[in-house]
Amino acid sequence: NAGVTQTPKFQVLKTGQSMTLQCAQDMNHNSMYWYRQDPGMGLRLIYYSASEGTTDKGEVPNGYNVSRLNKREFSLRLESAAPSQTSVYFCASSAQAGHTEAFFGQGTRLTVV
Amino acid sequence: ILNVEQSPQSLHVQEGDSTNFTCSFPSSNFYALHWYRWETAKSPEALFVMTLNGDEKKKGRISATLNTKEGYSYLYIKGSQPEDSATYLCADRTGYKLSFGAGTTVTVRA
Repeated sequence: NAGVTQTPKFQVLKTGQSMTLQCAQDMNHNSMYWYRQDPGMGLRLIYYSASEGTTDKGEVPNGYNVSRLNKREFSLRLESAAPSQTSVYFCASSAQAGHTEAFFGQGTRLTVV
Repeated sequence: ILNVEQSPQSLHVQEGDSTNFTCSFPSSNFYALHWYRWETAKSPEALFVMTLNGDEKKKGRISATLNTKEGYSYLYIKGSQPEDSATYLCADRTGYKLSFGAGTTVTVRA
């Protein structure tokens, strides 16, 4: 029972490099989310996807792009990494109905040097 | 700027004491209010999902209330234990968007 799986768990990038964070869920959830966690800021929403084929900006979308590849997978891409994007990134998913909880992946710790 | 605000940012509690803290959220377009518990080096885990004004939820020694008209929710911990030490996050569900507050970090001293 994997739940929400994120890869990689750790990554170090040089400024200007690109990378894609992968997220997959096996709970048949429609909604998926990407958050970043910074000290004292809680979880800030980067992008979300209400269902396959749709994506919407969250609170801090600048510098990121997303793809909802299919119902299971929701990837986050950094086209040109900046030190300000050093953070811990969490992917989450939930059933379509808002009355259900979100389930989180283990997080990806990204450092941009 | 976070639309969901939590206070206090942190608190220390003596083992056995009870405590509570607040989450405030926009009362317009309310859909659901979530509470999560987040332990260090782990992922957030859901405690409650609340939808109705006046809702009260309870799980063991932890309970929560909801006031959707004025836009706030309280989380209560009764008889705090060291294992209650964690960051407690609330999140406002509006449509399909789930937005979190910055959290209240609770440290229980033995």
